[in-house]
Amino acid sequence: NAGVTQTPKFQVLKTGQSMTLQCAQDMNHNSMYWYRQDPGMGLRLIYYSASEGTTDKGEVPNGYNVSRLNKREFSLRLESAAPSQTSVYFCASRLEVFTEAFFGQGTRLTVV
Amino acid sequence: GIQVEQSPPDLILQEGANSTLRCNFSDSVNNLQWFHQNPWGQLINLFYIPSGTKQNGRLSATTVATERYSLLYISSSQTTDSGVYFCAWEETSGSRLTFGEGTQLTVNP
Repeated sequence: NAGVTQTPKFQVLKTGQSMTLQCAQDMNHNSMYWYRQDPGMGLRLIYYSASEGTTDKGEVPNGYNVSRLNKREFSLRLESAAPSQTSVYFCASRLEVFTEAFFGQGTRLTVV
Repeated sequence: GIQVEQSPPDLILQEGANSTLRCNFSDSVNNLQWFHQNPWGQLINLFYIPSGTKQNGRLSATTVATERYSLLYISSSQTTDSGVYFCAWEETSGSRLTFGEGTQLTVNP
């Protein structure tokens, strides 16, 4: 009953370092999403993958890349981390558009 | 894009009180969902409610799509209800779920 699993849960990076956030779902969902949440704000969409083999930009894609590795996994990469990317990152999945979304537990990222 | 107003932005209750949270939309939306983000940051699905009324224990939700609003009712509130409540929606074109700015609820013992 894992649902959506994100790794790592916490990470501290130095400015300029790179890292990849991993997300996997075991619900056989077609669509997957990456959001960021800054203090006191709602969630903003970074990138999404409506189906395996496709990715599209969301509201705030600059500074990020994504890979839909297979149907289960959707990774988010920061090539050169900046302090402005300090945030909590959430991965989500759903069966398809216009269906219920399920979220992972989040990754708290600090860039110093 | 669609504008949404979540109200109230902040709400403080005594344990046992009832409350109503609201999302108003500037245009028709699809796939309306309510989420609770607990104090540990976890996002929990409460309701998937594109239209009509649903109830789950002390919580219920109503969406009136033709009038462009959705309501979340919390009855007999408990301290564990504290956190942020978000409505989220999808525009007619589909493909992405957009979140409101949330209502911060604090339930005091």
